[in-house]
Amino acid sequence: AQSVAQPEDQVNVAEGNPLTVKCTYSVSGNPYLFWYVQYPNRGLQFLLKYITGDNLVKGSYGFEAEFNKSQTSFHLKKPSALVSDSALYFCAVRDWRAAGNKLTFGGGTRVLVKP
Amino acid sequence: EAQVTQNPRYLITVTGKKLTVTCSQNMNHEYMSWYRQDPGLGLRQIYYSMNVEVTDKGDVPEGYKVSRKEKRNFPLILESPSPNQTSLYFCASSLGGASDGYTFGSGTRLTVV
Repeated sequence: AQSVAQPEDQVNVAEGNPLTVKCTYSVSGNPYLFWYVQYPNRGLQFLLKYITGDNLVKGSYGFEAEFNKSQTSFHLKKPSALVSDSALYFCAVRDWRAAGNKLTFGGGTRVLVKP
Repeated sequence: EAQVTQNPRYLITVTGKKLTVTCSQNMNHEYMSWYRQDPGLGLRQIYYSMNVEVTDKGDVPEGYKVSRKEKRNFPLILESPSPNQTSLYFCASSLGGASDGYTFGSGTRLTVV
């Protein structure tokens, strides 16, 4: 079975400060990891993914994420947050051996960036 | 523009009245899936389809049906909606490879009264 945990329901950060959104996962095989962002009244948009290779993955809108196998984590980061980064963020995992190509999502973390 | 199109965006219905939410993608994707989003629970998979005429249950299939008669379309059917199916629904598609992400539709907010 595969699962994802996002331990924080909400993260508050001041504009210009670093932003971190935490994610831990559990899979029995090798993980494929994804981050998505959801703006109000919109569908989920792909930010970045880790498949293999370099543990630091760079994605859209200045976001990056670091894969840590020993801690089974894939935290999303942005060095300097913008007010426009306020949104709901979802981490997702796929076990490469899982049937049905399913992505399993975490519960989501709401990010609020204050001016 | 490559996209997944869902209709309607908003729907209020009464208990027991059959409804269909349509989903269409123009990317020739093999894989399509339906998720529901509920506060604190994230997205949970309802049904998925690996290809035409191939569908299977996800984590929360009770009360839902799907069909995949054509590659581009994957409608979600609620034969007898109940209030616990009030939710935000998303259709998604992908090429179907293990490393492929999903492209999501804009969502359908369903309220069953």
